[in-house]
Amino acid sequence: DSGVTQTPKHLITATGQRVTLRCSPRSGDLSVYWYQQSLDQGLQFLIQYYNGEERAKGNILERFSAQQFPDLHSELNLSSLELGDSALYFCASSAGGGSLDNEQFFGPGTRLTVL
Amino acid sequence: GESVGLHLPTLSVQEGDNSIINCAYSNSASDYFIWYKQESGKGPQFIIDIRSNMDKRQGQRVTVLLNKTVKHLSLQIAATQPGDSAVYFCAENPDSNYQLIWGAGTKLIIKP
Repeated sequence: DSGVTQTPKHLITATGQRVTLRCSPRSGDLSVYWYQQSLDQGLQFLIQYYNGEERAKGNILERFSAQQFPDLHSELNLSSLELGDSALYFCASSAGGGSLDNEQFFGPGTRLTVL
Repeated sequence: GESVGLHLPTLSVQEGDNSIINCAYSNSASDYFIWYKQESGKGPQFIIDIRSNMDKRQGQRVTVLLNKTVKHLSLQIAATQPGDSAVYFCAENPDSNYQLIWGAGTKLIIKP
């Protein structure tokens, strides 16, 4: 158990809908990262927050947005969903804001299915 | 370099043999590299890291080798066990960015 929690574990929805994925980082970690992983493919970095502020942005679509709250939990909002958005969405947390010597601990993921 | 949606390459290894998983990284300025393991149905898990001022680092049954000349990273797993079956990702840290750049991953299959 990494200490990172994600809810829900599974989510099934229809095209055009909007969903919110939630992540609670490890106790004491200030950074939260969001990744998308399609079936049998690698991780696509979406976005990073550090202590409530956006720190880095990756391949995140305009239909997607995220935020980190004062209690450091984070939410990833996916809107106008398309079939191609079906994937595993992982949240990771780390103690610091940079990548150097800053191990990321991953949650169990949320499996999103768009029908 | 960054994962670009390619299907994963696969490496099949006999149980008990050594495994070598390779990774070509993209940025010559990268100064820190990490290997992660992802078992089926789980999130990635840190295995070992190495800084650019080293060319080899050993952990428990794992060794990471770094060749900066050809921008190549490898993960060696000694005496491969069934529990080593997973997808292995390398990641690099370009020194100008906070963001790790993830490789596409290699699926390791252990043959009994």
